[in-house]
Amino acid sequence: SYELTQAPSVSVSPGHTASITCSGDKLGDKYVYWYQQKTGQSPVLVIYQDTKRPSGIPERFSGSNSGKIATLTISGTQAVDEADYHCQAWDSGVVFGGGTRLTVL
Amino acid sequence: EVQLLESGGGLVQPGGSLRLYCVASGFNFSSRAMNWVRQAPGKGLEWVAAISGSGDSAYYADSVKGRFTISRRNSKNTLSLQMNGLRAEDTAVYYCSKDASYDYGANFFLDYWGQGILVTVSS
Repeated sequence: SYELTQAPSVSVSPGHTASITCSGDKLGDKYVYWYQQKTGQSPVLVIYQDTKRPSGIPERFSGSNSGKIATLTISGTQAVDEADYHCQAWDSGVVFGGGTRLTVL
Repeated sequence: EVQLLESGGGLVQPGGSLRLYCVASGFNFSSRAMNWVRQAPGKGLEWVAAISGSGDSAYYADSVKGRFTISRRNSKNTLSLQMNGLRAEDTAVYYCSKDASYDYGANFFLDYWGQGILVTVSS
């Protein structure tokens, strides 16, 4: 079965750029979606179809997808961005990555 | 404003049954597929089941196939998940979530999520 791999954790200093990756076989041929989940809250869609931001999502969130790697980039990271980030794709069914805990310190 | 409100969770013994409900508002309910996604304590997201906008088609993860049944009542803007033969590994927060598409398929993604409801399977 298809798998999406994410690093368990990423740390970033406030104001710096955070890069969260998601890897899978030929992932660049698929659309990737990113969900933000703050502690004790439900997930929120932050990127869809690789690069698009839903209404209300700050411009500092961006996405890319090529080859085997999809990347969620948060520019000028703020303390409020501390959360778990989950990637998702489709391969004969929906697949989620294991999630990455972003710590802002 | 889209709202999804789950109910029906709780503590149940292994082998028992439970029915989850989700009441939706703020969008044309019958025009969108709906899903249940769960998250075990300290774990990632796991898709559980989906149902098309009309309710004619249902889809299940292998881990719940034959035990769980998803259904919807469009006249009441309500989504349900009947869970039978519950196991300890079904313990999780269950999220009702709105698909961006009419049916479960390659364009799948979830643009709105409920607040989640906890299901605990334990003796």
